[in-house]
Amino acid sequence: GAVVSQHPSRVICKSGTSVKIECRSLDFQATTMFWYRQFPKQSLMLMATSNEGSKATYEQGVEKDKFLINHASLTLSTLTVTSAHPEDSSFYICSATGTSEREQYFGPGTRLTVT
Amino acid sequence: GQNIDQPTEMTATEGAIVQINCTYQTSGFNGLFWYQQHAGEAPTFLSYNVLDGLEEKGRFSSFLSRSKGYSYLLLKELQMKDSASYLCASMDSNYQLIWGAGTKLIIKP
Repeated sequence: GAVVSQHPSRVICKSGTSVKIECRSLDFQATTMFWYRQFPKQSLMLMATSNEGSKATYEQGVEKDKFLINHASLTLSTLTVTSAHPEDSSFYICSATGTSEREQYFGPGTRLTVT
Repeated sequence: GQNIDQPTEMTATEGAIVQINCTYQTSGFNGLFWYQQHAGEAPTFLSYNVLDGLEEKGRFSSFLSRSKGYSYLLLKELQMKDSASYLCASMDSNYQLIWGAGTKLIIKP
């Protein structure tokens, strides 16, 4: 089956620093990758959608200059949280779809804690 | 607007059957998904329905009625490990998933 990995699984950083999260599709080419954020006891919130080689489409209310997304290849997308603040602490999950565009395969998630 | 409704929490007994309902309103429709999410983990795929009717997969079944904008997930022979949140998501005309808030299922012995 399709596998999506994320790195790191957990990260703690100081307020004001930047953190990069990688999302990789291991055994398929991901035409589209999605970045979600999930706060405790809440559902998934879509942050942005990215297609390989093009700029990401951000959801309303998500600051594109703060959450930088790069989808440089068909197997790798990165999310960089710039100038992180404690309120950015959350569970960040990526997912990817292949050519069928139907099922989204989720990565294991990255828990970010900003101190 | 686009909207997914599902109950916030349900409780059931080990060995029993539980049905989790979901109603949806989306711009266009490309299928209805159910995902399971254990606390602290990413969602895992359970089922996909795009045609009306019941899809059975082991202890889990999913039903769809497109005319009613309604789906349910049926879990049989409940086990303690089934305690999790169950997320309903509708795929709209842009192939984007619109997510429900999830139903937390609590299984009691």
